Amino acid sequence: NAGVTQTPKFRVLKTGQSMTLLCAQDMNHEYMYWYRQDPGMGLRLIHYSVGEGTTAKGEVPDGYNVSRLKKQNFLLGLESAAPSQTSVYFCASTLQAPLNTEAFFGQGTRLTVV
Amino acid sequence: GENVEQHPSTLSVQEGDSAVIKCTYSDSASNYFPWYKQELGKRPQLIIDIRSNVGEKKDQRIAVTLNKTAKHFSLHITETQPEDSAVYVCAASRGNFGNEKLTFGTGTRLTIIP
Repeated sequence: NAGVTQTPKFRVLKTGQSMTLLCAQDMNHEYMYWYRQDPGMGLRLIHYSVGEGTTAKGEVPDGYNVSRLKKQNFLLGLESAAPSQTSVYFCASTLQAPLNTEAFFGQGTRLTVV
Repeated sequence: GENVEQHPSTLSVQEGDSAVIKCTYSDSASNYFPWYKQELGKRPQLIIDIRSNVGEKKDQRIAVTLNKTAKHFSLHITETQPEDSAVYVCAASRGNFGNEKLTFGTGTRLTIIP
């Protein structure tokens, strides 16, 4: 099992450019999440999905869109990148089960917007 | 929604001494409290967790205590070693169907001084 895999690992964008981050998990998890991690602010939830075809907003959704067309994949899109979106992005997944919510993280994507 | 506060933000201890990190949460319905360790440049990984029906849980040199009345939980690391240096992040969730979202604290950077 590969677990949770993110691509790409690093990216530099110019302001206004667009990109898509891909998260793939092979654990048959129902729930998938996108977080951003910034110094002093911890992990903040951007968007999440409770199953194939469903998405919901998290704590900091503005400027991002997501899609979950297949259960194993969760895509995070930036339509028009801004310097404020410079961050490390982590995808995570959890198994939908009572009291079993260990989150498995991807390796992270370091995004710089110049 | 849930709010998790974590203290201290940085902690330095001599090798062999103990380290304690504390988190407080706001949602009295939260009942699952994990701790993640994040080494430099790596993904967060679960090291220990506790559920609300338990007051303390130990795993070798690591322990977590929970005080539901005061709504706080703490990570205790004894006999610290250099490899314990990392960022430690606490989280809280309701841990049941439809409420598996984790809310994270802002992290504690622990440095073990040889």
